[in-house]
Amino acid sequence: QVQLQESGPGLVKPSETLSLTCTVSGGSISSYYWSWIRQPPGKGLEWIGYIYYSGSSNYNPSLKSRVTISLDTSKNQFSLRLTSVTAADTAVYYCARQPTVHSGSDFWGQGTLVTVSS
Amino acid sequence: QTVVTQEPSLTVSPGGTVTLTCASSTGAVTSGYYPNWFQQKPGQAPRALIYSTSNKHSWTPARLSGSLLGGKAALTLSGVQPEDEAEYYCLLYYGGVWVFGGGTKLTVL
Repeated sequence: QVQLQESGPGLVKPSETLSLTCTVSGGSISSYYWSWIRQPPGKGLEWIGYIYYSGSSNYNPSLKSRVTISLDTSKNQFSLRLTSVTAADTAVYYCARQPTVHSGSDFWGQGTLVTVSS
Repeated sequence: QTVVTQEPSLTVSPGGTVTLTCASSTGAVTSGYYPNWFQQKPGQAPRALIYSTSNKHSWTPARLSGSLLGGKAALTLSGVQPEDEAEYYCLLYYGGVWVFGGGTKLTVL
């Protein structure tokens, strides 16, 4: 069964760049779509975007100017970069697998809390 | 900006039946929105329950079902168990972009 694990700094300063990596085990990243979702403390889920193993991607329009999702097939990892962060970007960030472009995510990581603060 | 609306909270008695709904600000929800449903318990990652309106994952309890109802996506829980108490989120597809609903807090009481 596929497993996903997020990793990266838990604290980022305002105006800097948030960078997270998701390591996939139990299956190859060279298929499927791979997503990032976030959840501010005490609030609901927000879809950030996805990348297909071919490299094509799609992002939430409200974040599109600041977000990049990339793949590293040699390491079976995919990554999230979010630039110019503010306190509003404080959230638990989840990585997840999306079987097709028309299906939601089936397998999720446990999530990692990123706090934006000076 | 597209908004997906769910009931903020619902209460159901153990053994009862409850239906959660998911509406789109763009109009009626159809199968072309590929509705998904997720369950989230405190401190845990969301768990996928339903995809493409009514399809279940291998781990989805048989007492849960997804459908389209009155222009909305719907999740029905029958024979509700105490462990069904959780937050439930729907997810809709808008031509390459996904939007989550605000979530429904289901209380089993």
